[in-house]
Amino acid sequence: NAGVMQNPRHLVRRRGQEARLRCSPMKGHSHVYWYRQLPEEGLKFMVYLQKENIIDESGMPKERFSAEFPKEGPSILRIQQVVRGDSAAYFCASSPTPGPEKLFFGSGTQLSVL
Amino acid sequence: AQSVTQPDIHITVSEGASLELRCNYSYGATPYLFWYVQSPGQGLQLLLKYFSGDTLVQGIKGFEAEFKRSQSSFNLRKPSVHWSDAAEYFCAVGAIGSSASKIIFGSGTRLSIRP
Repeated sequence: NAGVMQNPRHLVRRRGQEARLRCSPMKGHSHVYWYRQLPEEGLKFMVYLQKENIIDESGMPKERFSAEFPKEGPSILRIQQVVRGDSAAYFCASSPTPGPEKLFFGSGTQLSVL
Repeated sequence: AQSVTQPDIHITVSEGASLELRCNYSYGATPYLFWYVQSPGQGLQLLLKYFSGDTLVQGIKGFEAEFKRSQSSFNLRKPSVHWSDAAEYFCAVGAIGSSASKIIFGSGTRLSIRP
């Protein structure tokens, strides 16, 4: 049973470009969470999704950021018109239940905006 | 306000020495407490968790943590560290019965091991 798979591991974008980060949850996990980690800081919750539904997006910036978890395929975190401040590590986690008891994290995507 | 404080940004200990990483929290509800470890370039791995019962919790890799409600603390300990323990350690708190989206993470303690 593969773990939570994130790709790419590293993503470099120029200001104004779009960034797409992918997350494939563990088999049997229908709950997906996205977190952002800035340097020297802990993880900050961004969005919680179940298949085809956004459950909680209270941590998402209001503009330029969006997320989806389609019926088929991985969850996607999309950042439009990236700015330098978007540079961070983005982690995905998945769980078979809504609670935190069985949360598994991916290895993250390091986004660098030039 | 709900918060998690890890007062030590960076700690260095000698291999074989004991370790204690501090974590204090402020949370209105009965807390669900976690310690995670993050090795360089890796995601977070759960070391241990507490939500009820015995206040001394055993985890993986020889780690343990003690919940002290009166001090709002959940410190992580290991009697003898190994070089492979060098990593970033995060304390986190959530509410029992709520979703993982409500977990709050501390800012982390980076552990270095002196040979």
